[in-house]
Amino acid sequence: SQTIHQWPATLVQPVGSPLSLECTVEGTSNPNLYWYRQAAGRGLQLLFYSVGIGQISSEVPQNLSASRPQDRQFILSSKKLLLSDSGFYLCAWSVPGTGSSYEQYFGPGTRLTVT
Amino acid sequence: AQSVTQPDIHITVSEGASLELRCNYSYGATPYLFWYVQSPGQGLQLLLKYFSGDTLVQGIKGFEAEFKRSQSSFNLRKPSVHWSDAAEYFCAARFSGGYNKLIFGAGTRLAVHP
Repeated sequence: SQTIHQWPATLVQPVGSPLSLECTVEGTSNPNLYWYRQAAGRGLQLLFYSVGIGQISSEVPQNLSASRPQDRQFILSSKKLLLSDSGFYLCAWSVPGTGSSYEQYFGPGTRLTVT
Repeated sequence: AQSVTQPDIHITVSEGASLELRCNYSYGATPYLFWYVQSPGQGLQLLLKYFSGDTLVQGIKGFEAEFKRSQSSFNLRKPSVHWSDAAEYFCAARFSGGYNKLIFGAGTRLAVHP
């Protein structure tokens, strides 16, 4: 069966510090991968998605970047965190291709607090 | 623009009462439709999905949803709510031409009174 991991689970970082959040998926090959942010009391905002190694699409211009160095690894980064980067970050995966049913499966999330 | 609307931000029900959470999607070809649940501090869990066929779909945890094309709606229901159902519920849609991206509603937070 497929499993999705995210770490760390929680993170407190000062403004201006760098960020690296990692997401890995097990039990599937060539998944589509997604990063979402959920601000307090708000819905999900799609930040990035990837259909393959090195292929990243950005949905919202911002202080963040994403990379996919391996097939089942997706990394969210920032060089200098802003207060507004605080939130709950969710990674998700889906089966690739038009024959899929398009549902996404979510990881447990990372709570980021920028102080 | 393609969108998903959940009109109710907060809903409170008594334990044992029935529940209906509303979801509407923007006009166009019928999208793939989903309901997810999120407990505090957790990721999202898929409750059910609709692609085509029978308009009443059954999901996990005793939930069901009904697709109504004429109303562009996909409402989530449960006949008898348990205290453990308190969570946030998200409706989502994959629209034609949207590749593998889902559009999420803003969510409905459900509180359950004993």
